[in-house]
Amino acid sequence: QQQVKQSPQSLIVQKGGISIINCAYENTAFDYFPWYQQFPGKGPALLIAIRPDVSEKKEGRFTISFNKSAKQFSLHIMDSQPGDSATYFCAASRRGNNDMRFGAGTRLTVKP
Amino acid sequence: DVKVTQSSRYLVKRTGEKVFLECVQDMDHENMFWYRQDPGLGLRLIYFSYDVKMKEKGDIPEGYSVSREKKERFSLILESASTNQTSMYLCASSYSYEQYFGPGTRLTVT
Repeated sequence: QQQVKQSPQSLIVQKGGISIINCAYENTAFDYFPWYQQFPGKGPALLIAIRPDVSEKKEGRFTISFNKSAKQFSLHIMDSQPGDSATYFCAASRRGNNDMRFGAGTRLTVKP
Repeated sequence: DVKVTQSSRYLVKRTGEKVFLECVQDMDHENMFWYRQDPGLGLRLIYFSYDVKMKEKGDIPEGYSVSREKKERFSLILESASTNQTSMYLCASSYSYEQYFGPGTRLTVT
């Protein structure tokens, strides 16, 4: 069963535009929501993460928006650059549990 | 920097062969994981281990087994490889929430 649903599957954005990727989760026990970035030929690497006690977290051009009541969170990439072209995974997990659930991934292409 | 290494980047095996995928981490992490990554399906957990000689099944353990004899090393074993096990295999380790991934092994079973 897919506990974290991610959309869109692929996304094409012009350089300088805003990229938005959305995720929805089902299990209200989740308390950690990371985003991973994966370049071709590499393993996923943690990009940014949020806990449900805040509604937004920003690190440079990357922002997570979190809506606890809707059980949704999203990644916003401002001023998107060709170097941001990668696959992005959202995920969710809970304290004391090693079971991290991943979304299906979004392939982002930023056109120059 | 945390480093997770996997023994092979690419492997080609024949149906029915026994296949070993090795993973080593250098951060003394308690937890280690094996995932498989397929297009449109994200990362699916095969097995994880929270201590030496301890293991737990993930979502898709059928056809796989694991071994953890030392804290830094976690092996994935395909007892009798089949074509539907052609995939990208990712190893990860963690101390708490954040998981650190290796570069992956792309396995092709012919």
